Parts: sequence; C-alpha cells; structure tokens
Amino acid sequence: SQTIHQWPATLVQPVGSPLSLECTVEGTSNPNLYWYRQAAGRGLQLLFYSVGIGQISSEVPQNLSASRPQDRQFILSSKKLLLSDSGFYLCAWSRSRGGETQYFGPGTRLLVL
Amino acid sequence: AQSVAQPEDQVNVAEGNPLTVKCTYSVSGNPYLFWYVQYPNRGLQFLLKYITGDNLVKGSYGFEAEFNKSQTSFHLKKPSALVSDSALYFCAVRPTGTASKLTFGTGTRLQVTL
Repeated sequence: SQTIHQWPATLVQPVGSPLSLECTVEGTSNPNLYWYRQAAGRGLQLLFYSVGIGQISSEVPQNLSASRPQDRQFILSSKKLLLSDSGFYLCAWSRSRGGETQYFGPGTRLLVL
Repeated sequence: AQSVAQPEDQVNVAEGNPLTVKCTYSVSGNPYLFWYVQYPNRGLQFLLKYITGDNLVKGSYGFEAEFNKSQTSFHLKKPSALVSDSALYFCAVRPTGTASKLTFGTGTRLQVTL
C-alpha cells in the first residue's frame, strides 16, 4: 500500500528565515505530487504540482518555491519567510495514469512570528 | 473555469439523525467529483468519488453521495450520524480528460451532538 509522509509536523520560524518542508511517498512510482496551503482551517489553495522529477508547475506566484529532486520526494522552500506564509501545508499524491484521486499527507503546521 | 460551492459553513445534526452536506459544482464537460473529510490538525482523508456509472456512490464510514447532473450537485449523505463524524468536509471537482488538478469547496463543518 501507499503512504505519504510529511515533516516536520509543526514548525515555528521567525520572519525572514528560510523554510524547507519535505514530503515523501512510498509504495508507488512516478506519482503526481502536489503542495497545498490551507489558511484558517478552511479552503485549500494549490501552490505547486509536479508530474515528474524536476518538473514543477506553479499555480500561485508568491514567496515559495518547490523542487522534486527524486521521484517520490517533493520539497517546499522559501528563502525568506513572511508572516503571511503561516498556515497548514498539505502534500498530496495521485497516480500518474488514471490518477483522478489525490491522497493527502498529515500536513505541516507552520507559524511565522 | 471550474468551481465548487458548499453553501453551508456549518451543519448541525443530532446523533442518529440523517445528515446531508451540500455541494454544487460548475465544470466544462463531465466532472470527476470527490468528498474528503478533515479532522482537526490532520490531512484530508478521501471518502468517495464519482467518476461514471451509478449516480449513487458509496464510500467510507457509511457515507454516500448522489450525483445529479441536471442540478449539478453532489450532496454527501449518511442515514444515521455519529458524534465521531464531526469534522470538516470538502467537496472537490475536476473535469475529465485533464491533469489531476482539483478545485475544492470552502468546506462545511459538521457538528453532531448527542
């Protein structure tokens, strides 16, 4: 079976500091990968998605970037965090073919102070 | 562009009563429709989906949803609510034949009381 991991679970960072959140998927090959942000416990905003190694599509221009250095690893980064980057970050995966369903990781709670 | 509307911010139900969480959508062509549930400080859990076929879809934990093409709706239902069903529920849609980018509704908080 497939599992998706995210870490850290919780992170408190000062404004202006860098960020690196990691997501890994086990039990599948060549998944589509996604980063979402959920603000105020409600709506989900798609930030980035990737259909393969090194292939990143950005949905919303902002202070964040994403990378996919390995097939099942997806990283969300920032060089300098803003207060507005606080939120709940969710990683998801889907199968690359016939993969209409997305499966979500446990999330990372980021608080920027 | 596709969109999803969940018109109720919160739904309150007594345990043992039936529940309905509403969802309407707008999409070009035929839709793929999904329901997810989120418990506090957790990721989203997949409940069920409609791809094609029978309009009544059964999912996890006794939930089901009915696809109504004429009303462009996909309401989530359960015959008998449990206190443990209390959570945030998200409806999502994407058109068929495209990359898997989902559009989510804003969520409906379900509160089930004794």
